[in-house]
Amino acid sequence: RKEVEQDPGPFNVPEGATVAFNCTYSNSASQSFFWYRQDCRKEPKLLMSVYSSGNEDGRFTAQLNRASQYISLLIRDSKLSDSATYLCVVNPTGGYNKLIFGAGTRLAVHP
Amino acid sequence: EPEVTQTPSHQVTQMGQEVILRCVPISNHLYFYWYRQILGQKVEFLVSFYNNEISEKSEIFDDQFSVERPDGSNFTLKIRSTKLEDSAMYFCASSGSPGRNTEAFFGQGTRLTVV
Repeated sequence: RKEVEQDPGPFNVPEGATVAFNCTYSNSASQSFFWYRQDCRKEPKLLMSVYSSGNEDGRFTAQLNRASQYISLLIRDSKLSDSATYLCVVNPTGGYNKLIFGAGTRLAVHP
Repeated sequence: EPEVTQTPSHQVTQMGQEVILRCVPISNHLYFYWYRQILGQKVEFLVSFYNNEISEKSEIFDDQFSVERPDGSNFTLKIRSTKLEDSAMYFCASSGSPGRNTEAFFGQGTRLTVV
């Protein structure tokens, strides 16, 4: 089983749509969880951390289900500028911020 | 906004040659990392570095690779005897402290092409 698994997509959605991405991780002892965004051939940039209670940042909502080892990201009112690859990232226990990346889910928002 | 800077942005080298990729982490950060991303694949952890020594390394980071912090600002990745399969984007990252939900800032990457 992959350490972090994501649906590769692509998700093609119109502007204004709501889109949800899912992710599962294999290490039940994992400590920290993130969503990063990566534009083509650019560096990953932190979109948001994911907390057990769930958290929201503007149009973005992240959820964590430790029992199911499942992380989600919801994007509301999609913008053209949201087009990117969304990376599910996990920090397993014991590492100095070692990050384990999923392969990413590609999102394309069209007019 | 502080940022991690990497040089060069693109390096082309012949198979068997040695390359050094350079990074300037954010000035008050204590933890430094190298990741790589082969074209079309996921970002992979290579090594973490703290207090002038390697904290953790992956299976990828074998004897071909080494890291160094030669002075107070630079952090380098040396790849000896490069192979075709070393062609990838190499990202340097830094963070202020370990622990939960500490953001790692990534540099813009060095694209290494081995020919």
